[in-house]
Amino acid sequence: NAGVTQTPKFQVLKTGQSMTLQCAQDMNHEYMSWYRQDPGMGLRLIHYSVGAGITDQGEVPNGYNVSRSTTEDFPLRLLSAAPSQTSVYFCASSYSHRESYEQYFGPGTRLTVT
Amino acid sequence: AQKITQTQPGMFVQEKEAVTLDCTYDTSDPSYGLFWYKQPSSGEMIFLIYQGSYDQQNATEGRYSLNFQKARKSANLVISASQLGDSAMYFCAMRDSGAGSYQLTFGKGTKLSVIP
Repeated sequence: NAGVTQTPKFQVLKTGQSMTLQCAQDMNHEYMSWYRQDPGMGLRLIHYSVGAGITDQGEVPNGYNVSRSTTEDFPLRLLSAAPSQTSVYFCASSYSHRESYEQYFGPGTRLTVT
Repeated sequence: AQKITQTQPGMFVQEKEAVTLDCTYDTSDPSYGLFWYKQPSSGEMIFLIYQGSYDQQNATEGRYSLNFQKARKSANLVISASQLGDSAMYFCAMRDSGAGSYQLTFGKGTKLSVIP
């Protein structure tokens, strides 16, 4: 199993550009989520999905869109990049949405918006 | 109010000694999970240990153990026999129903440095 994969690993964008961060998992996990990590802080939830076709907002959803057309893939779209979106982005998945299941994290995407 | 509080921004420990990283949490859900993750300088998030709110015994995984005191809402991580490779950021996290999101809520982390 590859686990949770993310592409790209690094990205530099200009303000106003759009892009999609890719996330895929091969563990047939029901729950997938996107977090961002800023310096000196823990991870904060952007969007999550409890299954194909079902998505919802997390703590910091503004400026981001998601969709989940398959169990495996959960892309994150930045609509119009802003310097405040400079961060490290982690995709995570877990077997179930229930509280007893740990989330497995991808390696992260380091995004810089200039 | 913060749901997860880690009061130690940085800790130092001598190699081969034990160290305790503090974590307190706040939730009104009766069912929740507590997790510790390690983030080395390479950046990945590594799951270390899990404790369920209904578990009677403290969780252990190799050199890691979780000192769970439910009444005090505390879930401290104990690392025994520290190794140089233990130098990293450590995050405490909780997963409860969270208004349906079942998200992991993270503390701000503790940076552990192991001294040879």
